[in-house]
Amino acid sequence: DAGVTQSPTHLIKTRGQQVTLRCSPKSGHDTVSWYQQALGQGPQFIFQYYEEEERQRGNFPDRFSGHQFPNYSSELNVNALLLGDSALYLCASSSTHAMDDEQYFGPGTRLTVT
Amino acid sequence: AQTVTQSQPEMSVQEAETVTLSCTYDTSENNYYLFWYKQPPSRQMILVIRQEAYKQQNATENRFSVNFQKAAKSFSLKISDSQLGDTAMYFCAFMIPGAGSYQLTFGKGTKLSVIP
Repeated sequence: DAGVTQSPTHLIKTRGQQVTLRCSPKSGHDTVSWYQQALGQGPQFIFQYYEEEERQRGNFPDRFSGHQFPNYSSELNVNALLLGDSALYLCASSSTHAMDDEQYFGPGTRLTVT
Repeated sequence: AQTVTQSQPEMSVQEAETVTLSCTYDTSENNYYLFWYKQPPSRQMILVIRQEAYKQQNATENRFSVNFQKAAKSFSLKISDSQLGDTAMYFCAFMIPGAGSYQLTFGKGTKLSVIP
């Protein structure tokens, strides 16, 4: 049973560019959440997708957008990249039908903006 | 808004000894969940233990146990018989359940080093 997978593992972009990160949830999960983890900090909630719609959003600007596909996989898009967007981006999946609320995390995508 | 505070940026412990990591939180909610996550150098965030606020009994998972003090809004993690594989960042996290919400609020983390 594959866990949460994310691609790519590492990414280097230039300021002002756009980036797309991808996440495949754990088998049987239907909800995907994205977190940004700056160096030396705890993860911060960006947004959550369920049934292909954004259900919750954290305190992030509109440059951060996402999408969820019918197979529950998800993309995180960041436009007009800033140096401060350099971080580890974590995806977490969960199931609305499970008995518990446990979220399973992927290994993350390390984004470096130069 | 909920906040989570971890006041110990770094800690170390000798192998086989016991260590306690501290966490305090602030919320006006009465029903919530608390978690400790472990993030080793491989970066994968792994759930260590969870506690539901309505449960008075402290959660235990093998060598890991918590001391949950609801009135004091304190949630510490005790690791017994520390092992080299316990070396990692440890994050305390908070969640308000309900309506399918899974948003976690994390503290800044404590870097734990287990010394042989």
